[in-house]
Amino acid sequence: AQSVTQLDSQVPVFEEAPVELRCNYSSSVSVYLFWYVQYPNQGLQLLLKYLSGSTLVKGINGFEAEFNKSQTSFHLRKPSVHISDTAEYFCAVSATGYSTLTFGKGTMLLVSP
Amino acid sequence: EAGVAQSPRYKIIEKRQSVAFWCNPISGHATLYWYQQILGQGPKLLIQFQNNGVVDDSQLPKDRFSAERLKGVDSTLKIQPAKLEDSAVYLCASSPSGLPAADTQYFGPGTRLTVL
Repeated sequence: AQSVTQLDSQVPVFEEAPVELRCNYSSSVSVYLFWYVQYPNQGLQLLLKYLSGSTLVKGINGFEAEFNKSQTSFHLRKPSVHISDTAEYFCAVSATGYSTLTFGKGTMLLVSP
Repeated sequence: EAGVAQSPRYKIIEKRQSVAFWCNPISGHATLYWYQQILGQGPKLLIQFQNNGVVDDSQLPKDRFSAERLKGVDSTLKIQPAKLEDSAVYLCASSPSGLPAADTQYFGPGTRLTVL
């Protein structure tokens, strides 16, 4: 079985500042890794995913994440955030070859002017 | 392309009543998922369909929850009878192919259920 730990429940940041949202996972098998974003009263939207290959993954809206196998991490970063990035961000994992996603509890990103 | 549609968006019921949620996935998507998202937590998979067959229902409380996917398209999730702890957002998602492991899952807006 897989599990995901998102270390911060809330991350407050000022507009145009850089941000990192942390995600650690646990699995006895190789994994796929995902970041989803959820805006208020909306469903989840995929930001980016790591399946294989380059450990640095670029996604939509200027986000990127780096897969670190030795540290079992998949942290999400953005060099300069906007007010519109305010949302909840979920890290998720699935075992390679399986589609069942296990989600973390989410990190609320609060961007203020 | 139309997204995943869900209805109703909000539902308030009393405990022991029954309730049903409807999902229409993106046209042509083979795989359909139902998730339960309790406040403050990430979504938890309840059931996964591949076309009209069940792939994974290991976390579905089968004594009170049921789901079906008619003709491999629309799906209905039912709770009977509801308990207070069923208060949550129920999310439907779909993905394109028969090899869903690496597929992107597309989520609907969810149905917010409140059980009083």
